[in-house]
Amino acid sequence: DAGVIQSPRHEVTEMGQEVTLRCKPISGHNSLFWYRQTMMRGLELLIYFNNNVPIDDSGMPEDRFSAKMPNASFSTLKIQPSEPRDSAVYFCASSHLAGGHETQYFGPGTRLLVL
Amino acid sequence: ELKVEQNPLFLSMQEGKNYTIYCNYSTTSDRLYWYRQDPGKSLESLFVLLSNGAVKQEGRLMASLDTKARLSTLHITAAVHDLSATYFCAAQETSGSRLTFGEGTQLTVNP
Repeated sequence: DAGVIQSPRHEVTEMGQEVTLRCKPISGHNSLFWYRQTMMRGLELLIYFNNNVPIDDSGMPEDRFSAKMPNASFSTLKIQPSEPRDSAVYFCASSHLAGGHETQYFGPGTRLLVL
Repeated sequence: ELKVEQNPLFLSMQEGKNYTIYCNYSTTSDRLYWYRQDPGKSLESLFVLLSNGAVKQEGRLMASLDTKARLSTLHITAAVHDLSATYFCAAQETSGSRLTFGEGTQLTVNP
């Protein structure tokens, strides 16, 4: 398997622009997670889906952030409008229950810079 | 709310030395994970510990879990430079898929 796939790998945009991050989970995994990582705040869970349904979005910073999972093989995280404080690395991870545990496998991340 | 604390947050050690990273969690959890992150890279799964007394070993790294003390440790034996990375522990609540991560321990192994 190719692992979790994220695109783009790098994104530079200007404040106020819309940003869309994409994720393809590992085939057969039924849980998908969006994280944000910064030096100041560390690794934060933004939202997670189980069987394409959002389960916990309490980590989504504000209404500018939205996430969708239209099917089992694709998810998006959208920021509209973007702000400089959104600059971070955004990771997508997926998991499924196997052997009594749910190890999350992380994608390579999208490095976002908002100018 | 499940909380996870690691210490130390920064660790500088010499090659050949041994050291332990500690991971405390606040409420009942029976699944504990360790991840490694190299600078500029993603998180890579190292170990999953599923029961009290569980011990896993891979090369110079050994992880253990004490559910009664709500403590997991990652022991490094005879450190080498290649082990330099940030190590995260994460605990999973007894219900649900969510992981709560510690702050990470940035390990630097010096020649």
